[in-house]
Amino acid sequence: GENVEQHPSTLSVQEGDSAVIKCTYSDSASNYFPWYKQELGKGPQLIIDIRSNVGEKKDQRIAVTLNKTAKHFSLHITETQPEDSAVYFCAASGNTGGFKTIFGAGTRLFVKA
Amino acid sequence: GAVVSQHPSRVICKSGTSVKIECRSLDFQATTMFWYRQFPKKSLMLMATSNEGSKATYEQGVEKDKFLINHASLTLSTLTVTSAHPEDSSFYICSARVTLNTEAFFGQGTRLTVV
Repeated sequence: GENVEQHPSTLSVQEGDSAVIKCTYSDSASNYFPWYKQELGKGPQLIIDIRSNVGEKKDQRIAVTLNKTAKHFSLHITETQPEDSAVYFCAASGNTGGFKTIFGAGTRLFVKA
Repeated sequence: GAVVSQHPSRVICKSGTSVKIECRSLDFQATTMFWYRQFPKKSLMLMATSNEGSKATYEQGVEKDKFLINHASLTLSTLTVTSAHPEDSSFYICSARVTLNTEAFFGQGTRLTVV
């Protein structure tokens, strides 16, 4: 089955700096890669996603890149703000896995004011 | 985006009792819903896939008699933790998709504490 690895587990940045979180996946048939933000005591909230037919997608301060050949995808947050502090999860899914969403281990992002 | 509502948000129960958690898709129909369990500071672990009108598909290591899933309608799936024990204490989260290969929307989670 699919396995998603995520790094780093913890990331601390200064307000205004950029943050990058990287993930790799194992199943070459996976074709949908969402990123979720989870705040304490709440369910994950989708912040951006990318499909395998696209290499990059951007939404304001958030961008995601995908390298299908290397099976890598990354989240980039620019001009970080304290309210960006949360746990971020990458995930992968595809039809061979029954469209189950498999999550990475998560990255705890701290943005220092 | 679509809204998934989960209820209750918190529940405390005594050992040996059963607890039911509801997951509703409020503005769309979901033939498939997913149930996850999350331990503190850990990732989401998929427990089972809930299919409307048929039996749930459980992940390896998840006891189907312990975690009963019922997906009786296109907008409601329930997870019942039977004969709960303290080790069942956890954060349980459901998700649903409009169609299978689209984004998944998550409920707000249920914090279960078994005392």
